[in-house]
Amino acid sequence: DIQMTQSPSSLSASVGDRVTITCRASQGISNYLAWFQQKPGRAPKSLIFGASSLQSGVPAKFSGSGSGTDFTLTISSLQPEDFAIYYCQQYYSYPWTFGQGTKVEIQ
Amino acid sequence: EVQLVESGGGLVQPGGSLRLSCAASGFPFSSYSMTWVRQAPGKGLEWVANIKEDGGEKYYVDSVKGRFIISRDNAKNSLYLQMNSLRAEDTAVYYCARARRSGYSYACDNWGQGTLVIVSS
Repeated sequence: DIQMTQSPSSLSASVGDRVTITCRASQGISNYLAWFQQKPGRAPKSLIFGASSLQSGVPAKFSGSGSGTDFTLTISSLQPEDFAIYYCQQYYSYPWTFGQGTKVEIQ
Repeated sequence: EVQLVESGGGLVQPGGSLRLSCAASGFPFSSYSMTWVRQAPGKGLEWVANIKEDGGEKYYVDSVKGRFIISRDNAKNSLYLQMNSLRAEDTAVYYCARARRSGYSYACDNWGQGTLVIVSS
């Protein structure tokens, strides 16, 4: 199985900050990488697929990059509604696997 | 508007069975792959199973193989998860998700609100 490792596991940031989350795959997955946002008690929300393509309706402050084994999710200017847990997920091969999550908290 | 509404969760004893349903609307259901993802209390997301558009191909995480069956009824715009031989570690919120084509694979793009399954005596 492909292991997905996110770093950091949590971070504290202020409104307006630029935030970057890293996701590393245990083997190459080309660009078969998605990012999700989840707020407490809510269903996940899809942000990015294909490593860098925004899902419909997702604001452009979110961006993704990377290919192969190393990927990043960047939030250009953190807003109050962005405080949440973010997960990466590979869909290169079954079983699909998620990273452990990165909690973005208010500083 | 895409809508996915799960139902069928509840409390079940270890070894018991439960059937989850996901009612889809707002899109051509038969044109999309569908997925079940679960989340144990306080834990991260875990992919459970995927079924292709025509139901011809199904994939499962190892921990549920032989116990869970994913299926769909395209005429009823519905996705199902038959869960047998349930264990305490199957306790989780179960989400259905639509998966769009992405290269040769599929990426989840819309999610239901989830249904809670508790396996306990």
